[in-house]
Amino acid sequence: GDSVTQMEGPVTLSEEAFLTINCTYTATGYPSLFWYVQYPGEGLQLLLKATKADDKGSNKGFEATYRKETTSFHLEKGSVQVSDSAVYFCALSDNAGKSTFGDGTTLTVKP
Amino acid sequence: DAGVIQSPRHEVTEMGQEVTLRCKPISGHDYLFWYRQTMMRGLELLIYFNNNVPIDDSGMPEDRFSAKMPNASFSTLKIQPSEPRDSAVYFCASSQGGPQYFGPGTRLTVL
Repeated sequence: GDSVTQMEGPVTLSEEAFLTINCTYTATGYPSLFWYVQYPGEGLQLLLKATKADDKGSNKGFEATYRKETTSFHLEKGSVQVSDSAVYFCALSDNAGKSTFGDGTTLTVKP
Repeated sequence: DAGVIQSPRHEVTEMGQEVTLRCKPISGHDYLFWYRQTMMRGLELLIYFNNNVPIDDSGMPEDRFSAKMPNASFSTLKIQPSEPRDSAVYFCASSQGGPQYFGPGTRLTVL
C-alpha cells in the first residue's frame, strides 16, 4: 500500500535559520502530494500542494518540489520565524480520494 | 464558506457512557473522513465516506465505534460504551478528492 516517511523530529531552529523537512513516499500510480501544518489546539491546514512531477508548491515562504525520480517532496523555507513553530505533515492522495499521512514533524523556532 | 464544523469542541464523560460526535462538511465536498489523534498513536484514519456511503472502515478500532452519514451535510461518530482509552482528539475532514479540509476537532476525555 501507499506510505509516507518523513523526517523524525523534533526539529529546533533559531529564528531566520534555513528549514528542511524531508519526505519520501511509496505509491502506485501518480499521487498528488501535500504538506499540512497543525498549530496547537487546531486541526490540520493545507500548506501547499503539487499534483504532478516537477511541480513546485509554495505558500507563506515554504516550498516543496514533486520529485518523481527520487519519490520525494521535501519542505523548505529560507528563513523561519517563531510563528512557524508547529507540526508539519507530509501526505499523498490516491485516485480513490483517500490520503496517507506521515507521522508529523514538530518544529520549534526559538527567538 | 464556514469550513468544516464539529461539535462539541470538548466532551468529558464517564466510562460506559455513550458519546456522539458531530460533523458538518464543507458544502459540495463529496468525501468525509473521521480521524483520531493521540500522542501515542499519532493521526489515525477511522472511516471515510464518498457520497454518503462508507468506503473504508478498517480503521474503526472495534464494534463500540460506529459512524453514519445520513445526508451530504451531516455525519456522526458514536462510541458506545466509551472507555478511558478512547480519550483523544477526533477530527472530521472533507474534500473533493484532493486536499482535505479539517475541522477544529473534538477533544474527548473519558474518565
